[in-house]
Amino acid sequence: EAGVAQSPRYKIIEKRQSVAFWCNPISGHATLYWYQQILGQGPKLLIQFQNNGVVDDSQLPKDRFSAERLKGVDSTLKIQPAKLEDSAVYLCASSFGTAFPDTQYFGPGTRLTVL
Amino acid sequence: GNSVTQMEGPVTLSEEAFLTINCTYTATGYPSLFWYVQYPGEGLQLLLKATKADDKGSNKGFEATYRKETTSFHLEKGSVQVSDSAVYFCASGSSNTGKLIFGQGTTLQVKP
Repeated sequence: EAGVAQSPRYKIIEKRQSVAFWCNPISGHATLYWYQQILGQGPKLLIQFQNNGVVDDSQLPKDRFSAERLKGVDSTLKIQPAKLEDSAVYLCASSFGTAFPDTQYFGPGTRLTVL
Repeated sequence: GNSVTQMEGPVTLSEEAFLTINCTYTATGYPSLFWYVQYPGEGLQLLLKATKADDKGSNKGFEATYRKETTSFHLEKGSVQVSDSAVYFCASGSSNTGKLIFGQGTTLQVKP
């Protein structure tokens, strides 16, 4: 079974530029999560989708971050414009069902460096 | 709000030593508790979990027991190996939404 796929794996941009990350969850997984992991910290949830809908985006900085999950499968996370403090690893995870607790499977992450 | 606190690392042990990594949580309701591990160069993967009080999760020789009275979920292993060197994350999960709240991670280094 293929795992959660993310691209790109690494990205370097200058502040005020925009960037987008892509995630393809495990086939059949209804729930998709985006986490931000700053160096030396644990991951922090940015947004959670259940199929097409948003379950929780309370910690998403909506003035600069946006995310979508079209057709309930792939998802993109965008930052526009980027700030220095956005340097982090962005993790995508997915889980099978809509009943919790449910095991989340993580992708390899995208390491973003903002200069 | 909900939070998870782990003991600070790094933890350095000799091979075959006993491991304990402390984890405590604060939460409303009854969360599920997890330990995730991140090996060098790899993504996060679930190590073990417990969904209710007094449950014991176990995997690969690691164990953790959900202690509601002390709000703890300490990770233990009787005899660590060099291959256990990794970063370990404790997390609490909402039973309503599945949202995970992670601790800051504890780096374990096992020397031969």
